[in-house]
Amino acid sequence: QSVLTQPPSASGTPGQRVTISCSGSSSNIGSNTVSWYQQLTGTAPKLLIYSNSQRPSGVPDRFSGSKSGTSASLAISGLQSEDEADYYCAAWDDSLNGGVFGGGTKLTVL
Amino acid sequence: EVQLVESGGGLVQPGRSLRLSCAASGFTFDDCAMHWVRQAPGKGLEWVSGISWNSGSIVYADSVKGRFTISRDNAKNSLYLQMSSLRAEDTALYYCVKDIGIAVSVYYFDYWGQGTLVTVSS
Repeated sequence: QSVLTQPPSASGTPGQRVTISCSGSSSNIGSNTVSWYQQLTGTAPKLLIYSNSQRPSGVPDRFSGSKSGTSASLAISGLQSEDEADYYCAAWDDSLNGGVFGGGTKLTVL
Repeated sequence: EVQLVESGGGLVQPGRSLRLSCAASGFTFDDCAMHWVRQAPGKGLEWVSGISWNSGSIVYADSVKGRFTISRDNAKNSLYLQMSSLRAEDTALYYCVKDIGIAVSVYYFDYWGQGTLVTVSS
């Protein structure tokens, strides 16, 4: 049972816009910023979004992040086949004094 | 080019110990906090432990507290994880991870190693 809650799966067709939610609490998302990671099959995770909505250099602007209260979202627009991957949200938790991840969302491009 | 190369994984019996190492290059090692993150086979990511740039702040997940010890040697650009009293549930791919910031609570991982597999089994 992960501290941050994500839907286990999501799907979309090429060109579509999909969103992945991440729900937390006042001790994590509510008081700290959120990051998102993409993990392609058989590879190490890659940082997609940090500080709720910032993209590292090299990450396409098709990926965007937002946060409101104790929840955050990752949006992917203009969905492409290469976006098929597992996506994880993450945040620091002040109560646990440690880091937490969401359980991950498997994105399928139909 | 940033590189994080883990080593030290392998098959170990329950209750035994293992030490993981991570050799870092391509960036100023003592400008960053570092972490270990693990992933059990077919499962999601789990943060294990973090250490600030100067080892002044060290934190652990409850699941490993009292059994694992994280450390770093800035002179050698290396990160370590000493694991003791290993359990079957510690079986996972262990990633060495670089933080964007100097404090562990920044918690943004901009570079990941390829991981080293630890299997705990009799």
